[in-house]
Order: sequence, then structure tokens, then C-alpha cells
Amino acid sequence: EVQLVESGEGLVQPGSSMKLSCVASGFTFSNYGMNWIRQAPKKGLEWIALIYYDSSSKYYADSVKGRFTISRDNSKNTLYLEMNSLRSEDTAMYYCAKGTEGIHWGQGVMVTVSS
Amino acid sequence: DIQMTQSPSSLSASLGDRVTITCRASQDIGNYLTWFQQKPGKSPRRMIYGATNLEDGVPSRFSGSRSGSDYSLTISSLESEDVADYHCLQSIQYPFTFGSGTKLEIK
Repeated sequence: EVQLVESGEGLVQPGSSMKLSCVASGFTFSNYGMNWIRQAPKKGLEWIALIYYDSSSKYYADSVKGRFTISRDNSKNTLYLEMNSLRSEDTAMYYCAKGTEGIHWGQGVMVTVSS
Repeated sequence: DIQMTQSPSSLSASLGDRVTITCRASQDIGNYLTWFQQKPGKSPRRMIYGATNLEDGVPSRFSGSRSGSDYSLTISSLESEDVADYHCLQSIQYPFTFGSGTKLEIK
């Protein structure tokens, strides 16, 4: 059974940093590109980043480019999202999702940016 | 960036009704269109991929179609368990973009 388990949720102040993790199991993690997607409260989904299976390419939404970094460790079956210079508008549920077309999703973690 | 215009934003229908949700792409996306269902308090679930392919385990009352730049998700006979938000995603060009979502309720 495919499982994606995010961690790292919390409340942080504007301007601070935070790192999310997503541990994968039930499939060959190193064979799949992985995404981070977020959903602000009562809002729609926003794709924010994708990393190729071998980390050779990374893509970002304009809203996070230069502030967020997606990475992965295939030896640990883990996807990461490092978030810097956080803003109130980054407040959202953050999901990791398997594959280009979001074949499976994690349960999500809540990130709240507020003073 | 490719814009995905999703309509309607909300929809109230009766049990047994045929329901259609549409996403219009601002540029050619081929069949790189995915539909997700998101029930309240849950993570999204992939329902349709490649515009018309039904995900394993998804009831056959769900279907996807394409007409030009318009992509549709149709539920042939609405059931109570279909109450959810529905989202479309284009994945042909970075940044990937979602439609704004459709909230489906029972009348």
C-alpha cells in the first residue's frame, strides 16, 4: 500500500524558516517525480514544486521561487521542502504527492505563518 | 502560465442527476489533464488522468472527456457519496496549474 506521511507542521513568525518532510513507502520512491502542493484555508489547490526522480530537475511556482527549495533523499525515501522568508500568505495545508499527475497524496501538514 | 478556468464554482444537484464540471485551458494541453476529488477534511484523490482514463477503483459513473480546449468530468447518476470538491490540473507545462475548484452538493 502506498503511503506518504508528511511532518514538520507548526506555527512560525513571518520571515522565519521551516522544513517539511514526506516519507514514502509502498512503492519504489526513486522511480517517481514528487510534488509539493498546498491549499490555503477555504481555498483551492496550488501546485508549488516538483522534483524529478533523480533530482536532476526541479520546478517551482512563481509564488515560492527563490524562497522554497524542494529536495529528496532516495536512500531514505524522503522528500523535503525547505521554506525560507515565510509570509502570511504561505499559510496552508501542505501535501506531498507522488508522480507528475498526483497519483497518491499524503495526509497533509498545516503550516501557519503569523505573528 | 497556462490558466485553467473551471466552472461552475459550485453546483447543487439532486440524487440521480447527471452532473458535469468543466475546465477550459488557455493553451493547448493535449490530454495532460487530471481530475481530483476532495472530500471534506481529506486529501485529494485522483479520479481521472490523461483526460479520459478512470483511476482504478473509481466508480464507472465517473467519466472524463475532452472537446477542444474544454475538459469535462461527468457523473452520470449522482450519489450522496459524491459530495466533494473537484479540481482539475494541467501537467503539460511548468508551472502546473489547477482550476479554481467546484463544490458539489446535494440539493
